Amino acid sequence: NAGVTQTPKFRILKIGQSMTLQCTQDMNHNYMYWYRQDPGMGLKLIYYSVGAGITDKGEVPNGYNVSRSTTEDFPLRLELAAPSQTSVYFCASSYGGDRGSPLHFGNGTRLTVT
Amino acid sequence: GENVEQHPSTLSVQEGDSAVIKCTYSDSASNYFPWYKQELGKGPQLIIDIRSNVGEKKDQRIAVTLNKTAKHFSLHITETQPEDSAVYFCASGGLGGGADGLTFGKGTHLIIQP
Repeated sequence: NAGVTQTPKFRILKIGQSMTLQCTQDMNHNYMYWYRQDPGMGLKLIYYSVGAGITDKGEVPNGYNVSRSTTEDFPLRLELAAPSQTSVYFCASSYGGDRGSPLHFGNGTRLTVT
Repeated sequence: GENVEQHPSTLSVQEGDSAVIKCTYSDSASNYFPWYKQELGKGPQLIIDIRSNVGEKKDQRIAVTLNKTAKHFSLHITETQPEDSAVYFCASGGLGGGADGLTFGKGTHLIIQP
């Protein structure tokens, strides 16, 4: 099993450009999450999904959108990139949604907006 | 919502010595406490977790202790080795909560001095 796979690994965007961060998992997990990680700030939840067709906002959703058309894929969309979105983005999945289940993380996408 | 405080932010120990990282949480309903290790350029990986019906759990050189009354839990690493150098995150969650994953501390950068 590959686990959680994120692409691309690195990306540089100009202000106002858009992009999609891809995330796919092969563990048949229903629950998927997007976090951003800023230096010294830990992990902040952007969006999450409890299954195909269902998504919900996390702590810092502004400037992002998500979709969940299949169990495997959970892409994160940035429509109008801003310097404040410079960060490392992690996708994660878990088998249970009761907040008592371990998260499995991808290796992240490092995004720079200039 | 839940708040998790983690200390210290940086910890430097001599190889072979022990390291202790401490976390406190605010939500008395939390009952799941995982620890994640993040190596440079990678996503966080679960190294050990504990549930509130257990006071201590060990896995080789790693142990976690939980004090539910005081709402704090700690990670103990004995006989530290160079490969233990990484950023460590504590987190809290719990059965019966929402499906929005875990609440993370801000991380501890552990440095093992040769």
